Amino acid sequence: QVQLVESGGGVVQPGTSLRLPCAASGFIFSSFATHWVRQAPGKGLEWVAAISSDGSDKYYRDSVKGRFTISRDNSKDTLYLQMNSLRGEDTAVYFCVRGSVAARQYFDFWGQGALVTVSS
Amino acid sequence: DIQMTQSPSTLSASVGDRVTITCRASQSISAWLAWYQQKPGKAPNLLIFKASSLESGVPSRFSGSGYGTEFTLTISSLQPDDFATYYCQQYNSYPLTFGQGTRLEIK
Repeated sequence: QVQLVESGGGVVQPGTSLRLPCAASGFIFSSFATHWVRQAPGKGLEWVAAISSDGSDKYYRDSVKGRFTISRDNSKDTLYLQMNSLRGEDTAVYFCVRGSVAARQYFDFWGQGALVTVSS
Repeated sequence: DIQMTQSPSTLSASVGDRVTITCRASQSISAWLAWYQQKPGKAPNLLIFKASSLESGVPSRFSGSGYGTEFTLTISSLQPDDFATYYCQQYNSYPLTFGQGTRLEIK
């Protein structure tokens, strides 16, 4: 069955960096675009970044452009989110999400999430 | 960016009720709309895609409709397992955006 397992969450200070890996299994990872979606405590869902199946196309929300980098290693079936210059408003549960097969992307499978807390 | 606005923000209903949640887009998104259900402490679960297509394994009491800028999610007869928060999401263009959520609570 499809599984997406995030790791790497934790408590970090403002201005520092963190990398979140997401290990995929149960499907042909290299055939699907993948995304990061976050949810601040008690708040709604917010799309963060997307990467195409071969890694050639990347998209970001404005508030993380220049600070976050999405990448993937299809040989390891792993998605990454490198987060630099972290701010308090980046505190959230970060979900690794599989995009739908079609060019336009809804989210058909979600990981369980990794909590990132940015606090001094 | 395309803004998604859900109403109501909170809905109180009873088991067996028929309920409808509305989602409005700030510009036309054709039928590129999905609905998700989220329970506390869990990841969201896909219910509906392309405005009205039911995801495999989702009970038939869930249905979606709409096109352009106005969409609805209907639950025909509420079951105890349906009390959760529901989100719409447009996937017409980046940045992908969600509605603010509708919390469905037991009356």
